[in-house]
Amino acid sequence: NAGVTQTPKFQVLKTGQSMTLQCAQDMNHNSMYWYRQDPGMGLRLIYYSASEGTTDKGEVPNGYNVSRLNKREFSLRLESAAPSQTSVYFCASSETGEKLFFGSGTQLSVL
Amino acid sequence: LAKTTQPISMDSYEGQEVNITCSHNNIATNDYITWYQQFPSQGPRFIIQGYKTKVTNEVASLFIPADRKSSTLSLPRVSLSDTAVYYCLVGEAAGNKLTFGGGTRVLVKP
Repeated sequence: NAGVTQTPKFQVLKTGQSMTLQCAQDMNHNSMYWYRQDPGMGLRLIYYSASEGTTDKGEVPNGYNVSRLNKREFSLRLESAAPSQTSVYFCASSETGEKLFFGSGTQLSVL
Repeated sequence: LAKTTQPISMDSYEGQEVNITCSHNNIATNDYITWYQQFPSQGPRFIIQGYKTKVTNEVASLFIPADRKSSTLSLPRVSLSDTAVYYCLVGEAAGNKLTFGGGTRVLVKP
């Protein structure tokens, strides 16, 4: 079982560049989430999707867009990257009872 | 959503029991209490979940008093590999705005 797969694992961008972080889960979960974690800090929710076709803002949505492409995939897009978006990004999925399954993360550096 | 408060850090020694308490004064009726463990450079990993009283699995125990305004994660006989950050998460089921608190950094010393 792959669980939650994130690509890429590492990425370096220049300020102003755009990119999309990909996330896919094979557990048939309805809900998916994007979090960011800055060095030495806790996780902050960027966006989440309760089910296919719906997305909602989390705590820190500015500068990001998301797409719930289908039940398996939930992508996060940075339209114009800024140094403040340097962070580790985690995707997670869940079915019931608040048990989240996390991917291994994408380490993003914006220069 | 219920806000959680945990100690920032705790130190312990191998073989000891570690107890981490999380406060969640405004927990809602339908909220579960879930604990996660995170190692450096990894995503958080589910440890244990409960609604009330006591829950035990092969890794930890979770104690929840009757008023549910707090919970305590108990790690028996910790080892060096239990050094990690532990997060308490309170909320209702999937599909909701699940936000993490700051977590508790546990350092296990030899």
